[in-house]
Amino acid sequence: GAVVSQHPSRVICKSGTSVKIECRSLDFQATTMFWYRQFPKKSLMLMATSNEGSKATYEQGVEKDKFLINHASLTLSTLTVTSAHPEDSSFYICSARAAGGIETQYFGPGTRLLVL
Amino acid sequence: AQSVTQLDSHVSVSEGTPVLLRCNYSSSYSPSLFWYVQHPNKGLQLLLKYTSAATLVKGINGFEAEFKKSETSFHLTKPSAHMSDAAEYFCVVSPDPNAGGTSYGKLTFGQGTILTVHP
Repeated sequence: GAVVSQHPSRVICKSGTSVKIECRSLDFQATTMFWYRQFPKKSLMLMATSNEGSKATYEQGVEKDKFLINHASLTLSTLTVTSAHPEDSSFYICSARAAGGIETQYFGPGTRLLVL
Repeated sequence: AQSVTQLDSHVSVSEGTPVLLRCNYSSSYSPSLFWYVQHPNKGLQLLLKYTSAATLVKGINGFEAEFKKSETSFHLTKPSAHMSDAAEYFCVVSPDPNAGGTSYGKLTFGQGTILTVHP
């Protein structure tokens, strides 16, 4: 149980285009989903917290207009990187917390984004 | 505020020998603590978690960790390393829900420890 999937697993795009990454909780309902970014050889950095049906809460320094987050259902959240630039290239990981769950987050396998 | 420090960025062991990955935390209240493992180009897998129950926590794949409040530590151990244990390990702290504030539910990650296992 507690499986989280991400799609796509890796994507290459041209600078200036937008890329959408999906995060799904496959066997549980996730009232809260989190989006992280991981730089090479670095730890995870929380970008934003997404609650179903409401606007995402972004961490300091994360541009909300560049990283659009939608959490329209209890099993799906999307992260759209708008007008991507090479510096947006990174490993993006989502996690989901079950409805009623307090602490445990279940992580997706990550999406490798490369912007050329 | 909470923080977590993993004392070793790299640990190298021989197959069959014990593993010790060290983690110290700082938290105003009683946090929940986790260890996650990440294999190359993969997401994070939960190894074990401490949530104010038993101080010795057993996880998957033979790993365990002991919560020591007096030392503010949560070190991860395994009696005998296997080649498949080679990965990066993250110690993570989550604030006490009773602490309130804007940090509720947010995980703070340690810097990670890369475990290498030699044949």
